[in-house]
Amino acid sequence: TQLLEQSPQFLSIQEGENLTVYCNSSSVFSSLQWYRQEPGEGPVLLVTVVTGGEVKKLKRLTFQFGDARKDSSLHITAAQPGDTGLYLCAGPHNNDYKLSFGAGTTVTVRA
Amino acid sequence: NAGVTQTPKFQVLKTGQSMTLQCAQDMNHNSMYWYRQDPGMGLRLIYYSASEGTTDKGEVPNGYNVSRLNKREFSLRLESAAPSQTSVYFCASSDPTTDTQYFGPGTRLTVL
Repeated sequence: TQLLEQSPQFLSIQEGENLTVYCNSSSVFSSLQWYRQEPGEGPVLLVTVVTGGEVKKLKRLTFQFGDARKDSSLHITAAQPGDTGLYLCAGPHNNDYKLSFGAGTTVTVRA
Repeated sequence: NAGVTQTPKFQVLKTGQSMTLQCAQDMNHNSMYWYRQDPGMGLRLIYYSASEGTTDKGEVPNGYNVSRLNKREFSLRLESAAPSQTSVYFCASSDPTTDTQYFGPGTRLTVL
């Protein structure tokens, strides 16, 4: 079983629609990171959330860290085809610098 | 800056063959990692190296060995490839101040 569970596994939407993907765990994390991976490439960091209840915005992307620091969400407003990719959440486990990754959500935005 | 580079980009092996995947980073990071990525399973840590001269097993180390040749380079070796090792392999290094991991472009390995 994954330490970090991501849902949904797949999401296909029309350009202009909104979407939310989730990252949940039964464990508390000191921080959570979100990465985006495009086909044929390695993951690239989007954001790190550190404080329980924290909300961070990157243009049309909004990231939230749960109050209990066990979950996080990523909301995309007015999705564009360029948002297509695999979204991965990751967090350090047991205060270790190594990261545990969720299985990811594959997002497809149709033009 | 090139960041993290990996070679080769693609490889096909027959069962029992051996090969070494190469990784190098030019960001002066101490920590480096090898992951494998399989559909529906995310990234799983194979081995990692906290600093030059040290290596440790990750979640799925069986069938693999690593060498931290110097601060820049971290290689992954498959001594006797098996079909279960068909996967995409990623090397990464991390910035200690932010815990951000920087990934290479990956090696797509098929074992027949």
